[in-house]
Amino acid sequence: SQTIHQWPATLVQPVGSPLSLECTVEGTSNPNLYWYRQAAGRGLQLLFYSVGIGQISSEVPQNLSASRPQDRQFILSSKKLLLSDSGFYLCAFGRRAGELFFGEGSRLTVL
Amino acid sequence: GNSVTQMEGPVTLSEEAFLTINCTYTATGYPSLFWYVQYPGEGLQLLLKATKADDKGSNKGFEATYRKETTSFHLEKGSVQVSDSAVYFCALRGQGYNKLIFGAGTRLAVHP
Repeated sequence: SQTIHQWPATLVQPVGSPLSLECTVEGTSNPNLYWYRQAAGRGLQLLFYSVGIGQISSEVPQNLSASRPQDRQFILSSKKLLLSDSGFYLCAFGRRAGELFFGEGSRLTVL
Repeated sequence: GNSVTQMEGPVTLSEEAFLTINCTYTATGYPSLFWYVQYPGEGLQLLLKATKADDKGSNKGFEATYRKETTSFHLEKGSVQVSDSAVYFCALRGQGYNKLIFGAGTRLAVHP
């Protein structure tokens, strides 16, 4: 079966510190992978998506970056966090039928 | 560009009440439409979907019909339960695209 995991689940970081959120997918090969952010009380904003290893598309200019070093691994990073980076980050992979399957989410609080 | 508009929440209902959450979209061609549900502290789960006009998606007592003439995909349930309390997101996938565009979400609170 297809599964997706992301970690850490919860993270509290000071302003200016680095960030690394990791997402891995199992049970599928060459999936489309996505990072979304959900700010408090708001909808989902697509940050990055990837259709293959090393292929990253950025949807909005921001303080974050993404990488896909392996087929089923997707990493969200920042060199220096801002207060506005706080939010709930969701990784997802695309299924053949077109829908997305989401991970459990990572809650980031920047202080 | 493609976009999704949902009714603002929160929606507060008593148990066994009828639920409607409105969703309209803007897109060229024939998008696929989805409803996702997010329970507190969790990621999103696919609730139902429809891939062509007049299709009806259904799951767990929820239904939504793809209406191309009104560009709508309203979510309905005949009798809500406390356990349905969550945030509901309408989403579309444009024809030929591999990205989902989400609405802002509608929070539903069901009281006993």
